[in-house]
Amino acid sequence: DTAVSQTPKYLVTQMGNDKSIKCEQNLGHDTMYWYKQDSKKFLKIMFSYNNKELIINETVPNRFSPKSPDKAHLNLHINSLELGDSAVYFCASSPRSGGNTEAFFGQGTRLTVV
Amino acid sequence: AQTVTQSQPEMSVQEAETVTLSCTYDTSESDYYLFWYKQPPSRQMILVIRQEAYKQQNATENRFSVNFQKAAKSFSLKISDSQLGDAAMYFCAYKTSGSRLTFGEGTQLTVNP
Repeated sequence: DTAVSQTPKYLVTQMGNDKSIKCEQNLGHDTMYWYKQDSKKFLKIMFSYNNKELIINETVPNRFSPKSPDKAHLNLHINSLELGDSAVYFCASSPRSGGNTEAFFGQGTRLTVV
Repeated sequence: AQTVTQSQPEMSVQEAETVTLSCTYDTSESDYYLFWYKQPPSRQMILVIRQEAYKQQNATENRFSVNFQKAAKSFSLKISDSQLGDAAMYFCAYKTSGSRLTFGEGTQLTVNP
């Protein structure tokens, strides 16, 4: 019954490694997002996809690459992990890209780079 | 660029009392939407309440209500009859038709028994 599901919930990895976070939504939504929450709890958008097409790409290092194989999935791949990448990453979805529709969030993935 | 400001990093309230969390935003848009999200220790982001800018009437959801002052660009959240389960980080968020949610810095609410 989980609406927006992220895996894994926790990820501990060494600097320099490559890792992926997967996200799936079963709400039939057209739009999906990746947000980053830093150690001060500040939430900032990274990417947004609408029907598999990238519509928002914030100033994010190109080590971060989103991939949307279909509109129900939006995965985040991170290359050459750095200490500063440690954060909680949230996937979210909304019915469409505009309007008053709120975003439904996954439970977050806490990434720790050591 | 749109910005959202929550000037209260921390607030506390006694159980059963009322508390108001402040939020201001800056925008040149006329059509936008405002939200309050709650993030308990479980980390899950939960929508509390939403307000459309074109509506003059303040939104209400059970014990949660907003005071939306469009001219002042203010959007405060009032929690009545506070409960222990209300303890969480609260985020104010702004959205235009362009899809992105812009969040404030958050207010950590403590509810004292």
